[in-house]
Amino acid sequence: EAGVAQSPRYKIIEKRQSVAFWCNPISGHATLYWYQQILGQGPKLLIQFQNNGVVDDSQLPKDRFSAERLKGVDSTLKIQPAKLEDSAVYLCASSSVTGGRSKNIQYFGAGTRLSVL
Amino acid sequence: KQEVTQIPAALSVPEGENLVLNCSFTDSAIYNLQWFRQDPGKGLTSLLLIQSSQREQTSGRLNASLDKSSGRSTLYIAASQPGDSATYLCAVLRLGAGNMLTFGGGTRLMVKP
Repeated sequence: EAGVAQSPRYKIIEKRQSVAFWCNPISGHATLYWYQQILGQGPKLLIQFQNNGVVDDSQLPKDRFSAERLKGVDSTLKIQPAKLEDSAVYLCASSSVTGGRSKNIQYFGAGTRLSVL
Repeated sequence: KQEVTQIPAALSVPEGENLVLNCSFTDSAIYNLQWFRQDPGKGLTSLLLIQSSQREQTSGRLNASLDKSSGRSTLYIAASQPGDSATYLCAVLRLGAGNMLTFGGGTRLMVKP
């Protein structure tokens, strides 16, 4: 079974530029998550999708961050314009909600490491 | 607001030692707690998941315990090996809407040969 795929693996941009990250979840997983992990910290949830609908985006800085999952499969996360403090690893995860929360295991991709100069 | 803290932030031990990693959380209204492993440049791998009604889970040399009332969990690693070197993260799943994990800052473990 293929895992969660993310691209690119690395991205270096200058502040005020825009950037987009792509995620392809595990086939059949209805739930998709984007996390931001700043160096030395644990991941912080940015947004959660259930199929193509948003379940939780309370920690997404909506003035500069946006995310979509139009067909309920792949997802893109965009930052426009980027700030220095956006330098982090952006992790995508997916889970199957079949069986309820007790079966909720989130599978993580390798992440995209963003450096904003 | 749920806060998760992990102590120590970093740990270096010689190969073969038994060790304990600690995790504490402020809100006991959790559904479950998970321990993850993160290798440099890699994503997270789930190691153990403890339901809120359980006290512990074991997988090979790993044993995780949960005391929900005191807001604490420990991850015990027996007979540590250099291959165990990684960052270990604990995360709690809250009750309520969605399946939101709140992570601790992690413990960076180095096992020296």
